[in-house]
Amino acid sequence: AQSVTQLGSHVSVSEGALVLLRCNYSSSVPPYLFWYVQYPNQGLQLLLKYTTGATLVKGINGFEAEFKKSETSFHLTKPSAHMSDAAEYFCAVSETGYGGATNKLIFGTGTLLAVQP
Amino acid sequence: DGGITQSPKYLFRKEGQNVTLSCEQNLNHDAMYWYRQDPGQGLRLIYYSQIVNDFQKGDIAEGYSVSREKKESFPLTVTSAQKNPTAFYLCASSSRIYGYTFGSGTRLTVV
Repeated sequence: AQSVTQLGSHVSVSEGALVLLRCNYSSSVPPYLFWYVQYPNQGLQLLLKYTTGATLVKGINGFEAEFKKSETSFHLTKPSAHMSDAAEYFCAVSETGYGGATNKLIFGTGTLLAVQP
Repeated sequence: DGGITQSPKYLFRKEGQNVTLSCEQNLNHDAMYWYRQDPGQGLRLIYYSQIVNDFQKGDIAEGYSVSREKKESFPLTVTSAQKNPTAFYLCASSSRIYGYTFGSGTRLTVV
């Protein structure tokens, strides 16, 4: 079975500092990987996804993530944090690695990012 | 605009009552899902449906029921058998081309 581990339930950074949110996955098949962001009392918004091809994936709002198969990792980064980045971030893996229409997403437990002025 | 509509946004339930959460999508997506979100536990899958009139249990289906009579609609009923229903509930739909789209959620509180 696939699983996702997010290291650090709370991360705090200063405005302008590097953001690094960690995600490790377990999968017996080539995974499809996702990062979502959630603002309070709202749904999830897709930041970026890795399916196949280039291992460095760029997403919205200046975020990017790198798929490292050897480390089974898919860490999310942003060079310079902004106050508006404060939110909860979820890493997810598509259950069968296919990433098709009806494959379930397995989520990590989330990382709450705080940005200090 | 296409999207997923969840209603109501806030819902209060008395002990022993059944309540139904609405989820409607106009994206023409085949698959729909219900997730439950609790602090520190991420999202856990309750039920999902790949086609009309068919659905499968997720990881935490006990105390919940669903129906899929129309492609656009996937309501979730929280029954009195669900011992700890207070949570944030998210509905989602997906297609092969566009991936997942999430609704804005319903916060259910037992009073």
